[in-house]
Amino acid sequence: SQQGEEDPQALSIQEGENATMNCSYKTSINNLQWYRQNSGRGLVHLILIRSNEREKHSGRLRVTLDTSKKSSSLLITASRAADTASYFCATAVVYGGATNKLIFGTGTLLAVQP
Amino acid sequence: DGGITQSPKYLFRKEGQNVTLSCEQNLNHDAMYWYRQDPGQGLRLIYYSQIVNDFQKGDIAEGYSVSREKKESFPLTVTSAQKNPTAFYLCASSTPQGPLFGPGTRLTVL
Repeated sequence: SQQGEEDPQALSIQEGENATMNCSYKTSINNLQWYRQNSGRGLVHLILIRSNEREKHSGRLRVTLDTSKKSSSLLITASRAADTASYFCATAVVYGGATNKLIFGTGTLLAVQP
Repeated sequence: DGGITQSPKYLFRKEGQNVTLSCEQNLNHDAMYWYRQDPGQGLRLIYYSQIVNDFQKGDIAEGYSVSREKKESFPLTVTSAQKNPTAFYLCASSTPQGPLFGPGTRLTVL
């Protein structure tokens, strides 16, 4: 089964509003990452938060991590129509030795209305 | 420009045919990965390779094969044994921040 589960599955907001997406996972992790995917395109890495970190910022993005609840949230402030995309969380676990395996959730589809 | 390239962008094949998807990177990354994405789904790991001439099965390796003869190249073959090959295939190579993804190949089996 998927390690990460995003909530909500889909989100529609007006331009300028904030968008919050949540991710829950099941096992211990080394880090958690958020990715963005425009329709039919590859994934773009947004931000990585390590298991010993609680909050991280990058521009209009704010990510929190609560390892006790096995959950993370991605906040996009002052959203723009160009933010319309699918957003995935991925948890990194040790796999086959030293390699970090990324386990992806099913994603949140964000639509920002102009 | 450094990056990961996948070709072709769209690929159509008849049922029962093997098909090979290309993935090339000029970033000097050791580790490379193949993922599969189905509509409305997250990514699932097919195969990964940590170094040249070595690769390991991921979660859904059945019906797929790979090779890693060169550091820059990690081609994926979708064989006729793969029961549901129609999907979006993403290749990635590793950075300290995590995988860097290519643009993907959409495979449709008719």
